[in-house]
Amino acid sequence: RKEVEQDPGPFNVPEGATVAFNCTYSNSASQSFFWYRQDCRKEPKLLMSVYSSGNEDGRFTAQLNRASQYISLLIRDSKLSDSATYLCVGAGNNRKLIWGLGTSLAVNP
Amino acid sequence: DTGVSQDPRHKITKRGQNVTFRCDPISEHNRLYWYRQTLGQGPEFLTYFQNEAQLEKSRLLSDRFSAERPKGSFSTLEIQRTEQGDSAMYLCASSSRGAGPYEQYFGPGTRLTVT
Repeated sequence: RKEVEQDPGPFNVPEGATVAFNCTYSNSASQSFFWYRQDCRKEPKLLMSVYSSGNEDGRFTAQLNRASQYISLLIRDSKLSDSATYLCVGAGNNRKLIWGLGTSLAVNP
Repeated sequence: DTGVSQDPRHKITKRGQNVTFRCDPISEHNRLYWYRQTLGQGPEFLTYFQNEAQLEKSRLLSDRFSAERPKGSFSTLEIQRTEQGDSAMYLCASSSRGAGPYEQYFGPGTRLTVT
């Protein structure tokens, strides 16, 4: 089993839709969690950290469920500019980031 | 621009040549990471520095790869005797010892093509 797993998609949604991504993790990647966004042929950019209590940043909400070992990202009122690959990331005890393969999102007009 | 910078942005080289990439981290960040990414994959960890000390090196990194950070500021990644399989995006990231030490900020990457 991979240390961080996520559905590669692609997710195709209309503008204004709500879309959710899930990601599961193993014990070695369980210290901290992040969602990164990566546009085609660009570097990953930190979207948000994921806290145990859940956190929200505008249209984006991240949740962590330690019992089930998964994290989620919810995007409300999706925009065309949200089209990208969303990378789920865990960090282990050695602070090394462990990356999922990414979930591709295409928001259509 | 106070973000992470990398140079060059693109490099095309012939198989067997040596290449060197440079990364300048965010100035107050003491941790620096090198990753490699190929199409459809997440970033693959290569190596990590805290200040000038190289604290971890991936087992996937062959002895043709070497990285340095001599003064704890910029870093270089050298690939000797390049192979076609080395073609990838090489990403550098930095993070701070302070709040959010796990949060890494990436440079734009160096895209290497080995012909």
